[in-house]
Parts: sequence; C-alpha cells; structure tokens
Amino acid sequence: EVQLVQSGAEVKKPGESLKISCKGFGYSFTSYWIGWVRQMPGKGLEWMGIIYPGDSDTRYSPSFQGQVTMSADKSISTAYLQWSSLTAADTAMYYCARISAAAGDFWGQGTLVTVSS
Amino acid sequence: SSELTQDPAVSVALGQTVRITCQGDSLRSYYASWYQQKPGQAPILVIYGKNKRPSGIPDRFSGSSSGNTASLTITGAQAEDEADYYCNSRDSSDNHLGVFGGGTKLTVL
Repeated sequence: EVQLVQSGAEVKKPGESLKISCKGFGYSFTSYWIGWVRQMPGKGLEWMGIIYPGDSDTRYSPSFQGQVTMSADKSISTAYLQWSSLTAADTAMYYCARISAAAGDFWGQGTLVTVSS
Repeated sequence: SSELTQDPAVSVALGQTVRITCQGDSLRSYYASWYQQKPGQAPILVIYGKNKRPSGIPDRFSGSSSGNTASLTITGAQAEDEADYYCNSRDSSDNHLGVFGGGTKLTVL
C-alpha cells in the first residue's frame, strides 16, 4: 500500500529554522516526483515545488524560490522541506504528494506549522 | 506562470447533477486533475488525465475538457460529496510544476 507519512505538528518562533519530512512507503521512492503544497488557514492549495528523489532534481514555484529548500534522502525514502528563518506568514498546513501522470495521486496527512512569538 | 479560475461556490440538490468548471490557458495544452478536500482532511485525487478515476473513486465523478475549460461533473450528487474541489494543471512556463485553481465549495442541499 502506497503511503506518505509526514512529521508532526510544529510550533516555532519567528526567526527559527525548521525542517519537516515526508516518508514514502509501498513504492519505489526514487521513481516518482514528490511535490510540496501549502495551505494557509482558510485558504486554497498552492504548489510550492517538486523534487525527484532519484537525482534530487528540484523545481520551485516562483513564489517560493529562495524562501524554502527542498531535499531528499533516497536511502531512507524521505523528502524534506526546510526554512532557515520562519515568519508568521509561514503559518500553514503543508502537504507532500506523490506525482504520477502530472497529478498528486497519494498525499501525506499534512504537517501543521505554527509560527508565533 | 499560469492561472486557473474556478467559481468560489456551487450548490446542488441531493441526487442531481452538478458541473464544476475551471478555466485557464494552460488547459488548452494540458489535462486538468481534480481534488476533493473535506474539512480537516488532506486532498484526494478524484480525476486525472483524460477522464481517469483512481481506484476507489465512484463512477459518478467524471471529467471533460473543451478549449480553455475543464469540468468536473458529479452525476447524482451524494451528501458525502460536499467538499472543496480544486482543479490543477501543469504550469505553461515550466511543465514540471503545477498550478491550482482557487477552489470551489460544493454544497449538497
């Protein structure tokens, strides 16, 4: 069974760094792109970018270029999304999704990130 | 980057048919995929490619496309179909990336 399991909720202060994870189970992790999606409170879905764990090829959506860093460790089937300095505007739910045929066919359960002083 | 436009809200009577639309230039070149999201839950894929349904998605969900408009049709809407629906397509400027529509809140009356 294909599953993406994300790390737990985080509460951080402005200026702190953070790395959240997305671990894949039940499929060849290196053969599919992984996408990251932001959903701010009460708002819609936004693609942040995608990474191919096979060779770590990474593409960022223009709005997120330079704001976050995506990475992957194929040895443990895990993708990461990280921030070097959080702001309140980063408060959101973050989802990872496996990309197949240009669609997110399996999604993680989401990681809620709250940034507050 | 590309933009996809959806009506913010649509309603349908129980058991009737409803069409949710998505407009954007990228839809002239790429298929749309559609996602259902219920409150407090992760999105799930309901339609992708040329009207394909993932395993477990009821056949009352179907997709179509014409010109710059993609549509998700629910034939015989059920109470459990009440949710937010998002369309998605490839970004014309970088087709590795995707773009979502703003979402449509479907109310089943």
